Amino acid sequence: EPEVTQTPSHQVTQMGQEVILRCVPISNHLYFYWYRQILGQKVEFLVSFYNNEISEKSEIFDDQFSVERPDGSNFTLKIRSTKLEDSAMYFCASSDELAGAAGDTQYFGPGTRLTVL
Amino acid sequence: QKEVEQNSGPLSVPEGAIASLNCTYSDRGSQSFFWYRQYSGKSPELIMSIYSNGDKEDGRFTAQLNKASQYVSLLIRDSQPSDSATYLCAVNGDDKIIFGKGTRLHILP
Repeated sequence: EPEVTQTPSHQVTQMGQEVILRCVPISNHLYFYWYRQILGQKVEFLVSFYNNEISEKSEIFDDQFSVERPDGSNFTLKIRSTKLEDSAMYFCASSDELAGAAGDTQYFGPGTRLTVL
Repeated sequence: QKEVEQNSGPLSVPEGAIASLNCTYSDRGSQSFFWYRQYSGKSPELIMSIYSNGDKEDGRFTAQLNKASQYVSLLIRDSQPSDSATYLCAVNGDDKIIFGKGTRLHILP
């Protein structure tokens, strides 16, 4: 069964450094998402991406963050100048329909645990 | 601000009994509703999606949707210890899904 994959599974970085989290969405999906979950809190939407551009972003997704689809398979989240409060699980998800349309189920990758020291 | 509300629990249910999980949402225009299961330290795993009023059954799971009351529920029949997890209710927003905080379910052996 096709699945979303993410690398690395765990990333440790020093405060102020840049990190890139990588995702390979399900191959025939067109809509891509990043969510994060701070320990003990709910899953929060960061950004959605379609047709090589951002379609929606939350207030969390400020200039510190960027997304890119550098080739036909990878989808990346870059976090610049990391802060302690960026420590969280980051989940990539993909779907083959826009949220709100029939068949819009989002499938989640296993996540990357980011630890900022 | 679109919200999804769930009782955080924990909800303790004896093995073999029915577990009932509830969720309300604020946006009357929402069209897609999901239940995800999340084990500690793992990613959300889709259990059920539902789009129309009424019941939808899949194995031991039944999702119920009442759009007039803005209410979604999940029933788990014949609860097993492996069902112990956090259950996340999610609702579509604009180009995203919005999650509740989740209900921790504990199945008592």
